[in-house]
Amino acid sequence: NAGVTQTPKFRVLKTGQSMTLLCAQDMNHEYMYWYRQDPGMGLRLIHYSVGEGTTAKGEVPDGYNVSRLKKQNFLLGLESAAPSQTSVYFCASSYLTGEETQYFGPGTRLLVL
Amino acid sequence: SQKIEQNSEALNIQEGKTATLTCNYTNYSPAYLQWYRQDPGRGPVFLLLIRENEKEKRKERLKVTFDTTLKQSLFHITASQPADSATYLCALFNAGKSTFGDGTTLTVKP
Repeated sequence: NAGVTQTPKFRVLKTGQSMTLLCAQDMNHEYMYWYRQDPGMGLRLIHYSVGEGTTAKGEVPDGYNVSRLKKQNFLLGLESAAPSQTSVYFCASSYLTGEETQYFGPGTRLLVL
Repeated sequence: SQKIEQNSEALNIQEGKTATLTCNYTNYSPAYLQWYRQDPGRGPVFLLLIRENEKEKRKERLKVTFDTTLKQSLFHITASQPADSATYLCALFNAGKSTFGDGTTLTVKP
Protein backbone atom coordinates (compact mmCIF):
# COMPACT_ATOMS: atom_id res chain seq x y z
CA ASN A 1 0.00 0.00 0.00
CA ALA A 2 1.21 3.49 -0.85
CA GLY A 3 -0.90 4.94 1.96
CA VAL A 4 -1.61 8.63 1.47
CA THR A 5 0.11 10.40 -1.40
CA GLN A 6 0.08 14.10 -2.30
CA THR A 7 0.80 15.85 -5.57
CA PRO A 8 2.77 18.06 -6.09
CA LYS A 9 5.46 18.04 -3.42
CA PHE A 10 6.39 21.68 -3.95
CA ARG A 11 4.92 24.57 -5.89
CA VAL A 12 5.56 28.28 -6.35
CA LEU A 13 2.64 30.47 -7.35
CA LYS A 14 2.22 34.13 -8.10
CA THR A 15 -0.50 36.07 -6.31
CA GLY A 16 -3.82 35.55 -8.07
CA GLN A 17 -2.92 32.26 -9.73
CA SER A 18 -4.96 29.15 -9.12
CA MET A 19 -3.96 25.57 -8.50
CA THR A 20 -5.25 22.22 -7.29
CA LEU A 21 -3.58 19.93 -4.78
CA LEU A 22 -4.33 16.25 -5.14
CA CYS A 23 -4.55 13.76 -2.30
CA ALA A 24 -4.99 10.05 -2.93
CA GLN A 25 -5.36 7.15 -0.49
CA ASP A 26 -5.49 3.42 -1.16
CA MET A 27 -6.74 2.28 2.26
CA ASN A 28 -10.46 2.53 1.46
CA HIS A 29 -10.90 5.18 4.15
CA GLU A 30 -14.19 7.03 4.45
CA TYR A 31 -12.83 10.23 5.97
CA MET A 32 -10.33 12.58 4.40
CA TYR A 33 -8.95 15.89 5.64
CA TRP A 34 -6.93 18.86 4.44
CA TYR A 35 -4.76 20.74 6.95
CA ARG A 36 -2.31 23.59 6.69
CA GLN A 37 0.71 23.96 8.93
CA ASP A 38 2.57 27.24 9.32
CA PRO A 39 6.10 27.43 10.80
CA GLY A 40 6.19 26.54 14.49
CA MET A 41 2.49 25.89 14.60
CA GLY A 42 0.18 22.96 14.71
CA LEU A 43 -2.18 21.74 12.04
CA ARG A 44 -5.30 23.71 11.22
CA LEU A 45 -8.20 21.96 9.55
CA ILE A 46 -9.24 23.55 6.25
CA HIS A 47 -11.93 21.19 4.94
CA TYR A 48 -12.83 17.59 5.46
CA SER A 49 -15.00 14.90 3.89
CA VAL A 50 -16.97 12.12 5.55
CA GLY A 51 -17.50 10.21 2.32
CA GLU A 52 -17.61 10.34 -1.45
CA GLY A 53 -19.53 13.36 -2.68
CA THR A 54 -19.60 15.13 0.70
CA THR A 55 -17.44 17.93 2.09
CA ALA A 56 -17.54 20.19 5.13
CA LYS A 57 -15.75 23.29 6.36
CA GLY A 58 -13.07 23.14 8.98
CA GLU A 59 -11.42 25.84 11.05
CA VAL A 60 -9.89 27.91 8.22
CA PRO A 61 -11.87 27.30 4.99
CA ASP A 62 -11.77 30.78 3.42
CA GLY A 63 -9.95 30.96 0.10
CA TYR A 64 -10.09 27.20 -0.47
CA ASN A 65 -12.50 24.81 -2.14
CA VAL A 66 -12.54 21.01 -2.12
CA SER A 67 -14.10 18.14 -3.99
CA ARG A 68 -14.44 14.41 -3.29
CA LEU A 69 -15.73 12.92 -6.53
CA LYS A 70 -14.08 9.56 -5.86
CA LYS A 71 -13.66 7.89 -2.49
CA GLN A 72 -9.91 7.62 -2.86
CA ASN A 73 -9.27 11.21 -3.94
CA PHE A 74 -9.66 14.55 -2.16
CA LEU A 75 -8.80 17.72 -4.07
CA LEU A 76 -7.95 21.09 -2.55
CA GLY A 77 -8.28 24.13 -4.79
CA LEU A 78 -6.97 27.65 -4.46
CA GLU A 79 -8.95 29.91 -6.79
CA SER A 80 -6.85 33.04 -6.36
CA ALA A 81 -3.68 32.44 -4.35
CA ALA A 82 -2.56 34.98 -1.75
CA PRO A 83 0.78 35.25 0.11
CA SER A 84 -1.09 34.35 3.32
CA GLN A 85 -1.67 30.92 1.82
CA THR A 86 2.05 30.16 1.83
CA SER A 87 2.20 27.08 4.00
CA VAL A 88 2.71 23.33 4.10
CA TYR A 89 -0.46 21.45 3.27
CA PHE A 90 -1.11 18.00 4.66
CA CYS A 91 -3.77 15.57 3.63
CA ALA A 92 -4.94 12.81 5.96
CA SER A 93 -7.44 9.98 5.91
CA SER A 94 -9.08 7.67 8.44
CA TYR A 95 -11.78 5.02 8.66
CA LEU A 96 -13.82 7.08 11.07
CA THR A 97 -13.37 10.46 12.62
CA GLY A 98 -11.76 11.01 15.98
CA GLU A 99 -11.43 7.52 17.32
CA GLU A 100 -9.48 6.22 14.42
CA THR A 101 -5.90 6.93 13.49
CA GLN A 102 -5.38 9.62 10.91
CA TYR A 103 -2.82 8.68 8.29
CA PHE A 104 -0.99 11.68 6.86
CA GLY A 105 0.59 12.29 3.50
CA PRO A 106 4.09 13.74 3.08
CA GLY A 107 2.85 17.28 2.57
CA THR A 108 2.90 19.89 -0.20
CA ARG A 109 4.99 23.00 0.27
CA LEU A 110 3.35 26.00 -1.33
CA LEU A 111 4.99 29.38 -1.76
CA VAL A 112 2.87 32.27 -2.97
CA LEU A 113 4.83 35.30 -4.13
CA SER B 1 -12.93 29.89 22.13
CA GLN B 2 -11.27 26.49 22.20
CA LYS B 3 -7.61 26.54 23.04
CA ILE B 4 -4.89 23.90 23.25
CA GLU B 5 -1.52 24.59 24.82
CA GLN B 6 1.50 22.35 24.72
CA ASN B 7 4.86 22.93 26.45
CA SER B 8 5.67 26.47 25.41
CA GLU B 9 9.36 25.79 24.91
CA ALA B 10 11.42 23.04 23.41
CA LEU B 11 12.35 20.22 25.75
CA ASN B 12 15.95 19.04 26.00
CA ILE B 13 16.79 15.95 28.02
CA GLN B 14 19.62 13.48 28.45
CA GLU B 15 19.45 10.02 26.94
CA GLY B 16 17.95 7.49 29.34
CA LYS B 17 15.81 10.01 31.19
CA THR B 18 12.03 10.26 31.03
CA ALA B 19 10.57 12.98 28.85
CA THR B 20 7.22 14.43 29.93
CA LEU B 21 5.20 16.55 27.53
CA THR B 22 2.08 18.46 28.50
CA CYS B 23 -1.13 19.21 26.64
CA ASN B 24 -3.63 21.55 28.30
CA TYR B 25 -6.97 22.60 26.85
CA THR B 26 -9.75 25.04 27.64
CA ASN B 27 -13.33 25.50 26.49
CA TYR B 28 -13.33 21.97 25.09
CA SER B 29 -14.88 18.62 25.96
CA PRO B 30 -12.96 16.16 23.83
CA ALA B 31 -14.21 12.64 23.34
CA TYR B 32 -10.74 11.44 22.39
CA LEU B 33 -7.20 12.68 22.56
CA GLN B 34 -4.39 11.54 20.31
CA TRP B 35 -0.64 12.05 20.29
CA TYR B 36 1.35 12.23 17.06
CA ARG B 37 5.03 12.42 16.25
CA GLN B 38 6.28 14.67 13.47
CA ASP B 39 9.79 14.63 12.04
CA PRO B 40 11.13 17.63 10.06
CA GLY B 41 9.71 17.78 6.55
CA ARG B 42 7.31 14.91 7.08
CA GLY B 43 3.68 14.33 7.98
CA PRO B 44 2.60 13.45 11.53
CA VAL B 45 2.55 9.80 12.56
CA PHE B 46 0.01 8.47 15.05
CA LEU B 47 1.33 7.20 18.38
CA LEU B 48 -1.44 6.77 20.95
CA LEU B 49 -5.14 7.42 21.50
CA ILE B 50 -6.88 7.82 24.86
CA ARG B 51 -10.61 8.18 25.45
CA GLU B 52 -12.31 10.51 27.90
CA ASN B 53 -13.22 7.64 30.23
CA GLU B 54 -9.66 6.29 30.31
CA LYS B 55 -7.05 7.53 32.77
CA GLU B 56 -3.92 6.00 31.30
CA LYS B 57 -2.69 4.22 28.18
CA ARG B 58 0.65 2.53 27.55
CA LYS B 59 2.53 1.35 24.50
CA GLU B 60 6.07 0.10 24.89
CA ARG B 61 8.08 3.07 26.27
CA LEU B 62 5.18 5.50 25.83
CA LYS B 63 2.54 6.40 28.41
CA VAL B 64 -0.33 8.85 28.11
CA THR B 65 -2.58 10.11 30.89
CA PHE B 66 -5.83 12.01 30.49
CA ASP B 67 -7.35 14.09 33.28
CA THR B 68 -10.66 15.63 32.16
CA THR B 69 -11.01 17.48 35.47
CA LEU B 70 -7.67 19.24 35.06
CA LYS B 71 -8.23 19.37 31.30
CA GLN B 72 -4.76 17.98 30.76
CA SER B 73 -2.94 15.13 29.10
CA LEU B 74 0.62 14.10 29.88
CA PHE B 75 2.78 12.17 27.42
CA HIS B 76 5.77 10.28 28.81
CA ILE B 77 8.68 8.66 26.99
CA THR B 78 10.71 6.48 29.33
CA ALA B 79 14.35 5.50 28.74
CA SER B 80 14.52 8.17 26.04
CA GLN B 81 16.83 7.77 23.06
CA PRO B 82 18.26 10.27 20.54
CA ALA B 83 15.94 8.67 17.96
CA ASP B 84 12.99 9.99 20.00
CA SER B 85 13.98 13.55 19.03
CA ALA B 86 11.04 15.02 17.12
CA THR B 87 8.05 17.30 17.50
CA TYR B 88 5.10 15.80 19.34
CA LEU B 89 1.56 17.01 18.68
CA CYS B 90 -1.54 16.44 20.76
CA ALA B 91 -4.91 16.46 19.03
CA LEU B 92 -8.38 16.64 20.52
CA PHE B 93 -11.46 15.30 18.82
CA ASN B 94 -15.10 16.00 19.30
CA ALA B 95 -18.18 16.19 17.09
CA GLY B 96 -16.28 14.99 14.06
CA LYS B 97 -13.63 17.66 14.12
CA SER B 98 -10.04 17.68 15.25
CA THR B 99 -7.97 20.42 16.84
CA PHE B 100 -4.20 20.15 17.06
CA GLY B 101 -1.81 21.81 19.46
CA ASP B 102 1.27 23.65 18.20
CA GLY B 103 3.55 20.82 19.27
CA THR B 104 6.56 20.43 21.54
CA THR B 105 10.00 19.82 20.08
CA LEU B 106 11.91 17.22 22.04
CA THR B 107 15.68 16.80 21.74
CA VAL B 108 17.32 13.84 23.43
CA LYS B 109 21.06 14.28 23.83
CA PRO B 110 23.39 11.28 23.90
